[in-house]
Amino acid sequence: GENVEQHPSTLSVQEGDSAVIKCTYSDSASNYFPWYKQELGKGPQLIIDIRSNVGEKKDQRIAVTLNKTAKHFSLHITETQPEDSAVYFCAATDTSGTYKYIFGTGTRLKVLA
Amino acid sequence: GAGVSQSPSNKVTEKGKDVELRCDPISGHTALYWYRQSLGQGLEFLIYFQGNSAPDKSGLPSDRFSAERTGGSVSTLTIQRTQQEDSAVYLCASSPEVGNQPQHFGDGTRLSIL
Repeated sequence: GENVEQHPSTLSVQEGDSAVIKCTYSDSASNYFPWYKQELGKGPQLIIDIRSNVGEKKDQRIAVTLNKTAKHFSLHITETQPEDSAVYFCAATDTSGTYKYIFGTGTRLKVLA
Repeated sequence: GAGVSQSPSNKVTEKGKDVELRCDPISGHTALYWYRQSLGQGLEFLIYFQGNSAPDKSGLPSDRFSAERTGGSVSTLTIQRTQQEDSAVYLCASSPEVGNQPQHFGDGTRLSIL
């Protein structure tokens, strides 16, 4: 089955700097990769997603890149702000037919003012 | 409602008691997923529904766990004879249909077993 690894587990950046979180997946058939932001006491909120037929997608300060050959995808946040501080999860969809998400273990991002 | 609604938001109960967790998905969403998030951990799949059917129950940790969905809408997750290791946040998500589609999550039920 699918396995997703996520790095780093924690990341501290200065306000205004960029942050990059990386994930690798094992199942080459996976073709949908969402990213979620989770704030304390809240459920995960979808912030961006990418499908395997594109290599990059951008939404304002957030971008995701996908390398299908290497089976890895990354989240890029530019011009970080204190409100970007949260736990970020990557995921890949299971290809057995359920389309359940297999999640990475999360990255705690701290943006220092 | 506008989003996925879960209740209760918090539940504290004694070991051995049964608990029932409720999920009200986004209106019109046919796919519904339950996940569990242990403290400081990622999300673990439990079960999913397509309409009222649960084709994949492979993630349920034991036979003490069960779930149902009625009317293609509300779902309940029941844990019988709770154990301390059941303590976690139980998250529900829905999507318009099963497939490579965004799943929208509720804020979860934080379950604490004393």
